[in-house]
Amino acid sequence: QVQLVESGGGVVQPGKSLRLSCAASGFAFSNYAMHWLRQAPGQGPEWVAVITSDGSYKYYADSVKGRFTISRDRSKNTLYLQMNSLRAEDTAVYYCVRDGGAYDSGGPVDYWGQGTLVTVSS
Amino acid sequence: DIQMTQSPSTLSASVGDTVTITCRASQSVRSWLAWYQQEPGKNPKLLIYKASNLESGVPSRFSGSGSGTEFTLTISSLQPDDSATYYCQQYNIYSWTFGQGTKLEIK
Repeated sequence: QVQLVESGGGVVQPGKSLRLSCAASGFAFSNYAMHWLRQAPGQGPEWVAVITSDGSYKYYADSVKGRFTISRDRSKNTLYLQMNSLRAEDTAVYYCVRDGGAYDSGGPVDYWGQGTLVTVSS
Repeated sequence: DIQMTQSPSTLSASVGDTVTITCRASQSVRSWLAWYQQEPGKNPKLLIYKASNLESGVPSRFSGSGSGTEFTLTISSLQPDDSATYYCQQYNIYSWTFGQGTKLEIK
């Protein structure tokens, strides 16, 4: 069965960095675009970034552009999110999600990880 | 960015009722619109994709319609466990956006 397991969250001071990881299993990781979403307490989901199946294209929300970097390691079936210059407004649960469209055909979220909490606070 | 606006923000209805939630996009998303249900403390669950297609395992009481900029989610014969927050999401382009959510309370 499809599993997405995030790790790397925690409490970090403003301006510092954090790297999230997402270990994928149960499906052909190399065939799917992968996204990071986040959800602040009491808020709806917010899209953060996407990486295409072969890693050649990456897109970011304006709110994180220039600070966050999405990447993937196909040999390890792992998705990453490098987060630099963190701000208080980045505080949220971060989810690794699978794009429901195989071969970058585009689709809604069909699988979610359990999420990892990132708290940015001094 | 494409803005998604849901209405109403909150909704209260009784068991057996039928309710409708509306989602409007600031520009056309064609039919690339999904609906999710999120219960407290849980991940969102996909209900509807491509505006009107029911995800496998989702009760037929849930239905979606619309295209372009206006979409609706209809839930008929409300059940107590339909109490949740519902979100629309456009996936017309990779810069996904979600609505702000509609909280449904079952009286």
